[in-house]
This record gives sequence, structure tokens and C-alpha cells, in this order.
Amino acid sequence: DTAVSQTPKYLVTQMGNDKSIKCEQNLGHDTMYWYKQDSKKFLKIMFSYNNKELIINETVPNRFSPKSPDKAHLNLHINSLELGDSAVYFCASSQTGSQASYNSPLHFGNGTRLTVT
Amino acid sequence: AQTVTQSQPEMSVQEAETVTLSCTYDTSESDYYLFWYKQPPSRQMILVIRQEAYKQQNATENRFSVNFQKAAKSFSLKISDSQLGDAAMYFCAQMNRDDKIIFGKGTRLHILP
Repeated sequence: DTAVSQTPKYLVTQMGNDKSIKCEQNLGHDTMYWYKQDSKKFLKIMFSYNNKELIINETVPNRFSPKSPDKAHLNLHINSLELGDSAVYFCASSQTGSQASYNSPLHFGNGTRLTVT
Repeated sequence: AQTVTQSQPEMSVQEAETVTLSCTYDTSESDYYLFWYKQPPSRQMILVIRQEAYKQQNATENRFSVNFQKAAKSFSLKISDSQLGDAAMYFCAQMNRDDKIIFGKGTRLHILP
């Protein structure tokens, strides 16, 4: 069973389009994240949701909108795609809660490679 | 299968001492990259060090160095002169040439004053 699954694995689209990347975790975790990995392999956090509430919202264009229908899902919707959006996007989850600390293990999905042409 | 294993969920080290975090991996590729990321409370992921598999020389970044044993598929991180600011979660990762990257589960490092 895949703990954190992202779909699609690859996404090729043209500038100006709107696309979504889905993420689901079956670990029962209460916190989910989106990271963007650039060409130099730096990973930057974009968003974090805890129990469906946004808790981290780094400086990203407002064309990026996360949506969490429930604790097990955190989808990333991107409007008006630009060339610079091309990257690998990683979803992750952890159990934060009242007892666990920020240092609870992070489980990553396998990433979605987005290519904007 | 592409896997990364960090066998130490938590470690502690005295300030100014040296600590080594373990990482083993498996891949069918002969050419790939290895990384160590540091994750502070902000949950940001900071790239600490990277190693290209075709390079025999171990990578070094200031107080951080790796012991890369390709035959054993081992990639440990050594932190010298540990500082309080080094306390964080550390993730080992392995990436194939097709850019598929797999992360370990992380090692939580405590620095004791």
C-alpha cells in the first residue's frame, strides 16, 4: 500500500492552462504539505494543512491554491500556468497533533513532474 | 526497487562533539545522486550536502561531510563540532537520472548543551 500517493506522476501542459495535482495519504496523519523542488534540487515548502486548516502559507503566487476536502487529501490547483512553474512537486504528511512535535517523521509522495511548455 | 533507509529515528550528541547519521539505499542504477536535507521547525527543507555517485571523493560542506560507500550503498552524514542550531530532522534522499527521488523517513538530531 502506498502511504502518500500523488497523481499524476507526470504532467505536461501549455502556458496559461489550469491544472491540478492530487495527493492522498492513508496513514491517518493530521498534517499535509506541498513542496516544490527546483532544478538545483532545493526543496521549498509551499503550504501546510493541519486538520483541513491552512497553517503554513509561504510566499507563493496566488495562482497556486491548495484545497483540502478532508484530512487525507490535499490537492494543489494551479491557474494560468507559467514556464517558471515547471518543477517537481512533492506532497508529504505527518502526525503533528497535540503530543507529537514538529519533528514527527515526514512521509513523502513520489513527486509530480510538471512541465510547462 | 529504489529505497532509502535511515535506521536511526533519533540521535543525540553533545555540543561541539561529532555525530554520524546513517543512511543506506538501494537502486538498480549505476549513476545517481545522493542528498542530505535538514528540516528545522519551520518544516522547510534545507539542502545540506549532495554527492554524485560517479565521484569517488566524499562531498564536504564546512562542518558537514559524507562517507559514501558505493559498493555497500551507504551514505552517512558526519557533523563535526555540533552546534545547537544543528538540531533538526535530517532526511537522506537518493535520486536516479530520471529525476525520481526517494526520501528516507528521517533522523531527529538532538544537540545537548
